[in-house]
Amino acid sequence: DAKTTQPNSMESNEEEPVHLPCNHSTISGTDYIHWYRQLPSQGPEYVIHGLTSNVNNRMASLAIAEDRKSSTLILHRATLRDAAVYYCIEAKNNFNKFYFGSGTKLNVKP
Amino acid sequence: GAVVSQHPSRVICKSGTSVKIECRSLDFQATTMFWYRQFPKKSLMLMATSNEGSKATYEQGVEKDKFLINHASLTLSTLTVTSAHPEDSSFYICSAGPSEFYNEQFFGPGTRLTVL
Repeated sequence: DAKTTQPNSMESNEEEPVHLPCNHSTISGTDYIHWYRQLPSQGPEYVIHGLTSNVNNRMASLAIAEDRKSSTLILHRATLRDAAVYYCIEAKNNFNKFYFGSGTKLNVKP
Repeated sequence: GAVVSQHPSRVICKSGTSVKIECRSLDFQATTMFWYRQFPKKSLMLMATSNEGSKATYEQGVEKDKFLINHASLTLSTLTVTSAHPEDSSFYICSAGPSEFYNEQFFGPGTRLTVL
């Protein structure tokens, strides 16, 4: 069952940073935090994942709270192509069974 | 990242018929694949875990005789929707992973099933 909560929707202006929050207050010590995004009529696309430390890759940054009960996905400069539904998922890395929550629909305005 | 394909991308069938959907990992071997379904404007729902060489593990509430899963090889899993009905119309998505080289799951592009 989904254990994460996210805002239903967020809006951003193009070229500006976006901070997408996620609460995972029941996360256990060995659960990873994964972020995926989905465009309409497509399969989800991997964005980033982490365990305890903040993570950076070419797509985004992931800031994980010290108590690990929440995290924030950071898109440094939103583009129109970043408009999608973003899912935050906690999963045991060895099983990787994903129970998706409702996600956040990000709208990017030109 | 790795590539996962699904075939067909969309299928329309008559009520009562069976439909098979294929999920392939194109450039890596996956001992584990997952099947999800997604209704319009809803999130993905995990249906089952497909394990190569053994029986699939179904999530609570998913009928195993209705949704037959066969993980024939390290690169192929199939989902057969048996005796399909209009309420089975949905977007079916598979994923593969983790594997020896990747920690994350890679998702296929999805299959749109419409049952008339």
